[in-house]
Amino acid sequence: DAGVTQSPTHLIKTRGQQVTLRCSPKSGHDTVSWYQQALGQGPQFIFQYYEEEERQRGNFPDRFSGHQFPNYSSELNVNALLLGDSALYLCASSDGRGGYNQPQHFGDGTRLSIL
Amino acid sequence: GESVGLHLPTLSVQEGDNSIINCAYSNSASDYFIWYKQESGKGPQFIIDIRSNMDKRQGQRVTVLLNKTVKHLSLQIAATQPGDSAVYFCAENSGGFKTIFGAGTRLFVKA
Repeated sequence: DAGVTQSPTHLIKTRGQQVTLRCSPKSGHDTVSWYQQALGQGPQFIFQYYEEEERQRGNFPDRFSGHQFPNYSSELNVNALLLGDSALYLCASSDGRGGYNQPQHFGDGTRLSIL
Repeated sequence: GESVGLHLPTLSVQEGDNSIINCAYSNSASDYFIWYKQESGKGPQFIIDIRSNMDKRQGQRVTVLLNKTVKHLSLQIAATQPGDSAVYFCAENSGGFKTIFGAGTRLFVKA
């Protein structure tokens, strides 16, 4: 039973570039959430996707966008990269049929470094 | 605003002792609380959760206590082992799909 998988594991970009990160949820899960984790801090909620729609968003600018595909996998896109976007980006999946307040299963993240 | 904080950033315990990690939250509307463990280079791993209609929940070697009166959450780990060394996060949901994480407590287990 595969858990949450994320790709790539590491990525280096320069300021102003655009990046796409990918996530496959745990088998049986239909909901994907994305988090940004700066070094030494807790994860910060970016947004959640369910039924191919963004259903809740955290306090992140429009440069951060996402997509969910019919197979429940998801992408996180970040445009016009800033130095402050350097972080570990985590994807978490859960079973959306139970509503909110469901435990989430995390992948090991993509480490994004902006030069 | 909403916040989930921790009392201690670092906790050091002797192998075999019990560990207690504390967490304070400020949103009285929060109704679901979760503890995660994060090892170096890994994503957070679900440990245990508790809903606001409960004050205690037990798992394998772990117990979560919720005190809604003082808005306090704790994680107790029995017979702490070297493999328990990690950063522990408390997190909360307050009626939506957004999970708010605290800053984390690093647990060191001394052999």
